[in-house]
Amino acid sequence: GAGVSQSPSNKVTEKGKDVELRCDPISGHTALYWYRQSLGQGLEFLIYFQGNSAPDKSGLPSDRFSAERTGGSVSTLTIQRTQQEDSAVYLCASRQQGSATEAFFGQGTRLTVV
Amino acid sequence: GQQVMQIPQYQHVQEGEDFTTYCNSSTTLSNIQWYKQRPGGHPVFLIQLVKSGEVKKQKRLTFQFGEAKKNSSLHITATQTTDVGTYFCLSGGGADGLTFGKGTHLIIQP
Repeated sequence: GAGVSQSPSNKVTEKGKDVELRCDPISGHTALYWYRQSLGQGLEFLIYFQGNSAPDKSGLPSDRFSAERTGGSVSTLTIQRTQQEDSAVYLCASRQQGSATEAFFGQGTRLTVV
Repeated sequence: GQQVMQIPQYQHVQEGEDFTTYCNSSTTLSNIQWYKQRPGGHPVFLIQLVKSGEVKKQKRLTFQFGEAKKNSSLHITATQTTDVGTYFCLSGGGADGLTFGKGTHLIIQP
């Protein structure tokens, strides 16, 4: 696609429910990143994929959070048994392989847990 | 990713004043990138610096990479209301996740 696409753009869920957030990166981008951003705060790194593997899962806040990537393309971030503190904007970024390439961000998914 | 510290966290300026944000690292950086996030938007790439002592300009924005490649700055001359947003620096790559600084929120008072 022309850019990084995330869906849904907004999600309101009840506490305790599971949610799935989707990221469709730019075609050909092997690296994919998930971040969480609370209101007025910085970008909290969650997880990074290189192809389908995740060399760095260090940022996942708890075992309620998981992510997968299939076919080297679409990635899904799953939050189980959501809590109110999970409310934030979840941003996905992708880039071509290599350390000197820019990252392209999606518009994000705004998650509200009520 | 390599950890970077970004200061200040917030900066209030009058429209027309200059603005500078700094990124500092305790280790040598392979490169550094700068991004801008408008309120309600997502981060957008501005520029990348790779060489020691490198200086790049984009209109009123000047980006510098320190001689030791451990720090970088973004300077905006004569700020305008369109400059409002959060400016992030980023280092890292290769097998590492991308580590962003916490960002500097630029607030402009007309």
